[in-house]
Amino acid sequence: AQSVSQHNHHVILSEAASLELGCNYSYGGTVNLFWYVQYPGQHLQLLLKYFSGDPLVKGIKGFEAEFIKSKFSFNLRKPSVQWSDTAEYFCAVNAGTGANNLFFGTGTRLTVIP
Amino acid sequence: KAGVTQTPRYLIKTRGQQVTLSCSPISGHRSVSWYQQTPGQGLQFLFEYFSETQRNKGNFPGRFSGRQFSNSRSEMNVSTLELGDSALYLCASSWDRASVQYFGPGTRLTVT
Repeated sequence: AQSVSQHNHHVILSEAASLELGCNYSYGGTVNLFWYVQYPGQHLQLLLKYFSGDPLVKGIKGFEAEFIKSKFSFNLRKPSVQWSDTAEYFCAVNAGTGANNLFFGTGTRLTVIP
Repeated sequence: KAGVTQTPRYLIKTRGQQVTLSCSPISGHRSVSWYQQTPGQGLQFLFEYFSETQRNKGNFPGRFSGRQFSNSRSEMNVSTLELGDSALYLCASSWDRASVQYFGPGTRLTVT
């Protein structure tokens, strides 16, 4: 069965600091990878996705993620965080075979201090 | 385009009762998936419907069921509610089975 690990449960940063959130998955086949974000009081929104092609993907609001197949990782990065990035971030995976069930990590709560 | 809508947004039920939650996907989306979100277990996949057929099921007891109608709208049902069923139930829709899922705001179910 697939599983997703997010190593950081709660990250606290000052504005303008750089961000990297780790995500590792376990699945031997082709995968589709996602980062979703949940802002306080709002529903889950897609931040970025990787289906195939360039392993460095760019998403909304200046976020990017790099798929490293050999490490089974899909880490999320942002060079300079803002207070408005305070949210919970979820990494998710599904088998790239048309199965539409997402396996989610436990989430990382990011708090950005102004 | 309107997003995924879920009704009701909040629900309080008593143990032993049953509940039906509704989801309207984004117009044109044919796949609907359901997830349960709890503080302890996080986000867990319940089931997926595509073309009115259940295509995938997560590791949940048979008390959890669902269906999809010809207009792609979906309902999920939980029978014989238990305290542990208290959760946020999220619906997500996608164009087909291999595309991005967009989530609704969820239904917050509280079982007392």
